[in-house]
Amino acid sequence: GAGVSQSPRYKVAKRGQDVALRCDPISGHVSLFWYQQALGQGPEFLTYFQNEAQLDKSGLPSDRFFAERPEGSVSTLKIQRTQQEDSAVYLCASSLERASGGLTGELFFGEGSRLTVL
Amino acid sequence: AQSVTQPDIHITVSEGASLELRCNYSYGATPYLFWYVQSPGQGLQLLLKYFSGDTLVQGIKGFEAEFKRSQSSFNLRKPSVHWSDAAEYFCAVGLTTDSWGKLQFGAGTQVVVTP
Repeated sequence: GAGVSQSPRYKVAKRGQDVALRCDPISGHVSLFWYQQALGQGPEFLTYFQNEAQLDKSGLPSDRFFAERPEGSVSTLKIQRTQQEDSAVYLCASSLERASGGLTGELFFGEGSRLTVL
Repeated sequence: AQSVTQPDIHITVSEGASLELRCNYSYGATPYLFWYVQSPGQGLQLLLKYFSGDTLVQGIKGFEAEFKRSQSSFNLRKPSVHWSDAAEYFCAVGLTTDSWGKLQFGAGTQVVVTP
């Protein structure tokens, strides 16, 4: 597709449910990032993939959060046993380049998946 | 601790007037600096970036920003605002020199443009 696509755009979950959020990056993009944006705040880094390798997951808030990108393209962010504090917009971004030594420094963001945990 | 501060949560500006959005950072090394814009229903879009070199950076949509090392600032400016510039603007810093995509964002500045 022309841009980064995320689904679902909106998700309402009951506390304790598991959710899965999908990201389709721009075709051919090597790097993929997940960010979490709470209401009224800037995005916060969660994790980063270079192709299928998860190189940095230091921003994942707990072991309930898990991300994968098994074939180096589509990525899924999974949240187990959701809590109210998980309510946020989850943003996916991709880049043609590796996040190290890249020439353009541009991330292309999707519109995000808004998660509401009741 | 590293931080990015956008002192203005909300700015109202008249169409045609100039705009300046402030950004200060606390970061030990030479940072990678970015400004992104987020319009309703759209993803974050890169306006401009600074990695090194000329401290005055030109971006898209008529925006520019100036890196001032002595003030730890990277303020965004536009000489004449258009109604379509109404959006939320985020300043961001690349957290590590070998991973510019791992960004720390400020809390954002909401810009409202009045006729």
